[in-house]
Amino acid sequence: DIQMTQSPSTLSASVGDRVTITCRASQSISMYLAWYQQKAGKAPKVLIYKASTLESGVPSRFSGSGSGTEFILTISSLQPDDSATYYCQHFARNSLTFGGGTKVEIK
Amino acid sequence: QVQLQESGPRLVKPSETLSLTCSVSGYSLSSGYFWDWIRQSPGKGLEWIGSMHHTGDTYYNPSLKSRVSMSVDTSNNQFSLSLTSVTAADTAVYYCARLQDCFCMDVWGKGITVTVSS
Repeated sequence: DIQMTQSPSTLSASVGDRVTITCRASQSISMYLAWYQQKAGKAPKVLIYKASTLESGVPSRFSGSGSGTEFILTISSLQPDDSATYYCQHFARNSLTFGGGTKVEIK
Repeated sequence: QVQLQESGPRLVKPSETLSLTCSVSGYSLSSGYFWDWIRQSPGKGLEWIGSMHHTGDTYYNPSLKSRVSMSVDTSNNQFSLSLTSVTAADTAVYYCARLQDCFCMDVWGKGITVTVSS
């Protein structure tokens, strides 16, 4: 089974900061990598799919990149509304796996 | 606008079967895509439970496969989850979601909290 490991598990940054979250796969994976934002008490919301495609309606400060075993979610200028937990997710061989999550806090 | 709504008992006794239904509006299950169940234990991350297509194709998390089954009711535009022999470890918020062609979940229900306790 493919394991997805996110880092860091928690980060604290100031409004306006550039933030990056990394998702590493235990083996090389396809581009079917998605990123979700989950706010407290709410269902997750897809931000990025196919590693780098921005979901409709998602602010352009969010971007995704990467290939192979390493994928990155970048928030170019952190906003107060971005306080949330972020998850990566991969689908392969009829099985779906989430990363452990990264909690983003605003200083 | 596609909407999903989970329903079912919020309290289940240990060793019994957890049964949930996801009602879909704004889209016909028969039109395609896979339909998923995901759960989140208190204070924990997301765990995929399984995916099912209206044709009956199903894929389950290997760690839950022996206890999980999913079914679809196209006449009522609903799909269901059954999890047998539950324990306290199955206490979680259960979400249903649509798995799009991107192999990402673009529509989610609000989630239902299920507690396993005697």
